[in-house]
Amino acid sequence: GEDVEQSLFLSVREGDSSVINCTYTDSSSTYLYWYKQEPGAGLQLLTYIFSNMDMKQDQRLTVLLNKKDKHLSLRIADTQTGDSAIYFCAPNSGYSTLTFGKGTMLLVSP
Amino acid sequence: DAGVIQSPRHEVTEMGQEVTLRCKPISGHDYLFWYRQTMMRGLELLIYFNNNVPIDDSGMPEDRFSAKMPNASFSTLKIQPSEPRDSAVYFCASRETGATYGYTFGSGTRLTVV
Repeated sequence: GEDVEQSLFLSVREGDSSVINCTYTDSSSTYLYWYKQEPGAGLQLLTYIFSNMDMKQDQRLTVLLNKKDKHLSLRIADTQTGDSAIYFCAPNSGYSTLTFGKGTMLLVSP
Repeated sequence: DAGVIQSPRHEVTEMGQEVTLRCKPISGHDYLFWYRQTMMRGLELLIYFNNNVPIDDSGMPEDRFSAKMPNASFSTLKIQPSEPRDSAVYFCASRETGATYGYTFGSGTRLTVV
């Protein structure tokens, strides 16, 4: 099955850019998602990218996909304290399901 | 739309008791997923349904766990008997066929078995 790896923790200062990285193993993944989880809440879909794209920009968010290396990254520009949360990478596995990484906890300090 | 609705939000129960978690998916979504989240194992897919039919229950940890979806607007996850190691946050999610695979998650049920 699919394996998804993320670094567990990232700390940045307010106003800096944050880059959260993810590697996955299933080269047939066609949709790759980023979810955000705030304390005590469910997972909220942030953005996604199709596997035929290299990059997708959505306001402060930029997703980069290196399909050859099976590497996905999420860049958050001008990071704010409200961006502090856990971020999950989730490529699709087969037709119906997503496989989630363990999540990267982003801590933004003022 | 009210989103995916789970109940209860918190459940504390004694070891050996039966626990039932409930989920109402988004209207029109024909896939429903149950996940369990723990610090050690992250998010694990337990079971998912398509058009109320269980498709893959290979993630259900033991026979103590069972899930049903009697109609398109309701699903339950039951643990009987419960054990302390079942303590986790249980999430329900739904999605629509033809959508870009993305799920909508409920707020979760935090289960504590003492």
